[in-house]
Amino acid sequence: QITLKESGPTLVKPTQTLTLTCTFSGFSLSTSGVGVGWIRQPPGKALEWLALIYWDDDKRYSPSLKSRLTITKDTSKNQVVLTMTNMDPVDTATYYCAHSTSRSGWYDYWGQGTLVTVSS
Amino acid sequence: SYVLTQPPSVSVAPGQTARITCGGNNIGSKSVHWYQQKPGQAPVLVVYDDSDRPSGIPERFSGSNSGNTATLTISRVEAGDEADYYCQVWDSSSVVFGGGTKLTVL
Repeated sequence: QITLKESGPTLVKPTQTLTLTCTFSGFSLSTSGVGVGWIRQPPGKALEWLALIYWDDDKRYSPSLKSRLTITKDTSKNQVVLTMTNMDPVDTATYYCAHSTSRSGWYDYWGQGTLVTVSS
Repeated sequence: SYVLTQPPSVSVAPGQTARITCGGNNIGSKSVHWYQQKPGQAPVLVVYDDSDRPSGIPERFSGSNSGNTATLTISRVEAGDEADYYCQVWDSSSVVFGGGTKLTVL
């Protein structure tokens, strides 16, 4: 059974760096074809893709946010970490991590999401 | 950047057929995936690769993709299908989501 769970601060101040951790089970990020991505959703708005890391450490980023994002993996801990610098109130959103098994495919398992509020 | 356009809302009576479109330049050349999201919940994959269904998704959910439009079709709509629906593709090594469509069951 594949499960993912996001963790991190619920409140960050403007200009601070956000660090989110996705802890997963039921699969290995060393298995060929596997990837874990991050997607966010501001309250009442649409999904927005952020980043994705693959089993071979290939990384992809949203072009509009690339300069602020870093995604890494710790295969031994079954974790993927996303950092986002220079947080702004417009970054207030629910952040999801999700599992993928294709370089150009879909997300078949999602975490429950974690709400991050950016406010002073 | 690639843009996916969805109607903000679609309404349908129970038992009828709902069609939710996703427009994009030559989207027929891409693989389209669809997600259902109910309030307060994470998205759920309902169709992948244009028309395939994950295990556990009812046959009432189907998809098609041609030209500049992909379509998610929900047959025999039930009250429990009321949700937001998002299409997704890959373009230039990044993921793109549509703006979402709210399906209302009358």
